[in-house]
Amino acid sequence: QITLKESGPTLVKPTQTLTLTCTFSGFSLSTRGVGVGWIRQPPGKALEWLALVYWDDDKRYSPSLKSRLTITKDTSKNQVVLTMTNMDPVDTATYYCAHRRAPTGGDWFDPWGQGTLVTVSS
Amino acid sequence: QSVLTQPPSVSAAPGQKVTISCSGSSSNIGNNYVSWYQQLPGTAPKLLIYENNKRPSGIPDRFSGSKSGTSATLGITGLQTGDEADYYCGTWDYNLSAFWVFGGGTKLTVL
Repeated sequence: QITLKESGPTLVKPTQTLTLTCTFSGFSLSTRGVGVGWIRQPPGKALEWLALVYWDDDKRYSPSLKSRLTITKDTSKNQVVLTMTNMDPVDTATYYCAHRRAPTGGDWFDPWGQGTLVTVSS
Repeated sequence: QSVLTQPPSVSAAPGQKVTISCSGSSSNIGNNYVSWYQQLPGTAPKLLIYENNKRPSGIPDRFSGSKSGTSATLGITGLQTGDEADYYCGTWDYNLSAFWVFGGGTKLTVL
C-alpha cells in the first residue's frame, strides 16, 4: 500500500522560504518510472501543479514558479523536499504531494497525501 | 486561468447522467493522455480515470472517460448524492518545456 504524508510549517511570514517534506512508503524512488509531485490548492480554488522529481533525478517545474521552486529527493529516507522562496500571502494554500505512476505510457498521480495547509501572514 | 478549460459547475438529479468537458490544445490534450480526479469536500483529490478512459480498481463503472482531438470528457451515470465533488482533468503540456497542468475544476451538484 502506497502512502504519502506532507509535513512542514503551518505559518510562514512573507519573504520567508517554505520547506515542505513528503515522506512516503510502499514504493521506492529508485525504481524506474516512479516520481513524486507537488500540487497546491489555495482555499476555494483549483489545483495547481508545482513540481515533479523522477527516479533518475530528472525534475520538472511549473514555468510560472520555476524561479522560486526547488525539488529534491532523498531515496534512503523515502522523502521528497520542496522549497519555495520569497513566500507571499497569495501562496497560502493546501500543499499536496502525490505518487506519479507511468507503467504503460501515460502517467497520472495516485495516490495523494492528505495535504498540509500553509498560511503566509505576518 | 488554466490552459485546460472546464465548466465551473454542472448539476443533475440523482440517477441521471452528467458529462464534464475538458478543453485544451495540441500542446496538451491533443498529444497526451488525460487523467481525471475527484475531490470530495475537505479531502485530497483521488484518481478516477487514467490514460483517457481507464478506471483504477475500486472505481465503479458509472465513471467513464473519453478523449477526442484536443478535448476530453468525464461521464458519470446513475448519479448519487455522494458524487457531489469537484472534478479536475490533468495532463502534460509541452510548450518550450514539459509541465503538468490541471483544469480549473468543475463543481458537480446532485440536486
